[in-house]
Amino acid sequence: KAGVTQTPRYLIKTRGQQVTLSCSPISGHRSVSWYQQTPGQGLQFLFEYFSETQRNKGNFPGRFSGRQFSNSRSEMNVSTLELGDSALYLCASSLGLEAATEAFFGQGTRLTVV
Amino acid sequence: SQKIEQNSEALNIQEGKTATLTCNYTNYSPAYLQWYRQDPGRGPVFLLLIRENEKEKRKERLKVTFDTTLKQSLFHITASQPADSATYLCVAVGGYGQNFVFGPGTRLSVLP
Repeated sequence: KAGVTQTPRYLIKTRGQQVTLSCSPISGHRSVSWYQQTPGQGLQFLFEYFSETQRNKGNFPGRFSGRQFSNSRSEMNVSTLELGDSALYLCASSLGLEAATEAFFGQGTRLTVV
Repeated sequence: SQKIEQNSEALNIQEGKTATLTCNYTNYSPAYLQWYRQDPGRGPVFLLLIRENEKEKRKERLKVTFDTTLKQSLFHITASQPADSATYLCVAVGGYGQNFVFGPGTRLSVLP
């Protein structure tokens, strides 16, 4: 079966702009989580969506937002970009029916803010 | 705040030996722990999961233990191979939902 697909793979934006990243989960998976990965901070949890509802949220400012559609595809939006937002953004999908399920990660979107 | 620590940023071992990676957690009582492997430029890949009421899990050359008294998990790779070289991430998950807390990772290098 097809894996988790993230688009675009690479993105360059200017400070102050906004960006939208997309994630298509594995068919049948209802949970989509987003993570930010940087060399200094490692992988940090942004938020999780399950059946179009935000179920968990990490400690990121309100500039980071997301949503999930009825087909479980998810988008993440970052507004008023800052240089520190440069990172690899990873999306993971899972069945989400209980906590003890493995997550399948996409290849990530590499965002560079200049 | 919840914190996951992995004892080594980098670990070098000789091919054929057993690699042991350590994960410690504080201010947290995870319901289970997961271990992932991440290669450069790629997303993490799931390896093993162990629940708080399990002491040990095995999968081929991999073994993971979970000690809730020590608040620690050990991840072992036996008969290590150069292809095992990667960054290994410990992840703690508590409660319902997919709120994962990742450790910083240990970069393992298996030398031929």
